[in-house]
Amino acid sequence: EAGVVQSPRYKIIEKKQPVAFWCNPISGHNTLYWYRQNLGQGPELLIRYENEEAVDDSQLPKDRFSAERLKGVDSTLKIQPAELGDSAVYLCASSPQAEVNTGELFFGEGSRLTVL
Amino acid sequence: AQSVTQPDIHITVSEGASLELRCNYSYGATPYLFWYVQSPGQGLQLLLKYFSGDTLVQGIKGFEAEFKRSQSSFNLRKPSVHWSDAAEYFCAVAPLYNFNKFYFGSGTKLNVKP
Repeated sequence: EAGVVQSPRYKIIEKKQPVAFWCNPISGHNTLYWYRQNLGQGPELLIRYENEEAVDDSQLPKDRFSAERLKGVDSTLKIQPAELGDSAVYLCASSPQAEVNTGELFFGEGSRLTVL
Repeated sequence: AQSVTQPDIHITVSEGASLELRCNYSYGATPYLFWYVQSPGQGLQLLLKYFSGDTLVQGIKGFEAEFKRSQSSFNLRKPSVHWSDAAEYFCAVAPLYNFNKFYFGSGTKLNVKP
């Protein structure tokens, strides 16, 4: 079974440029998460989707960040314009529906963003 | 407010030596508790979890963790470390009945000396 797939793995951009990250969760997982992991820190939740609905986006900086999960499968996280402080690893994770959820998050390998 | 503290940023142990990684949490009630491992260039992988019952839980790769309510701790242990255990380890909590609100500690980076 394929795991969570993210792309690109690495991205270097200059500040004020846009950037987008893509995530394909494990097949059948209806919950999808985007986390940001700053250097030397643990992951912090940006947004959580249940199917195509964003049910928790309280930590998403909405002035520059946006996300979508059309059709409730893969998802895109966008930053426009990027700032120096956005340099981080952006992690996507998924989990199955509540009835079979054992508490485990399945993470992708992450997308490392460097803003110059 | 919820918080997870991992007081050790870096730990170095010799291969074959025992390991203990510390985790303390601050929460209104006993939460669900997890340990994840992140190997270089890899995503986070669940090592083990505690929901209720026996306070000593076994996980993958020979790891175990002990929940101590009186100390609000959930320390990770391994009797004999292998070189492949070099990675970063994250403690995480989630509130009861809500797996979707995870709070991660800042991680402990483990180096293993040959």
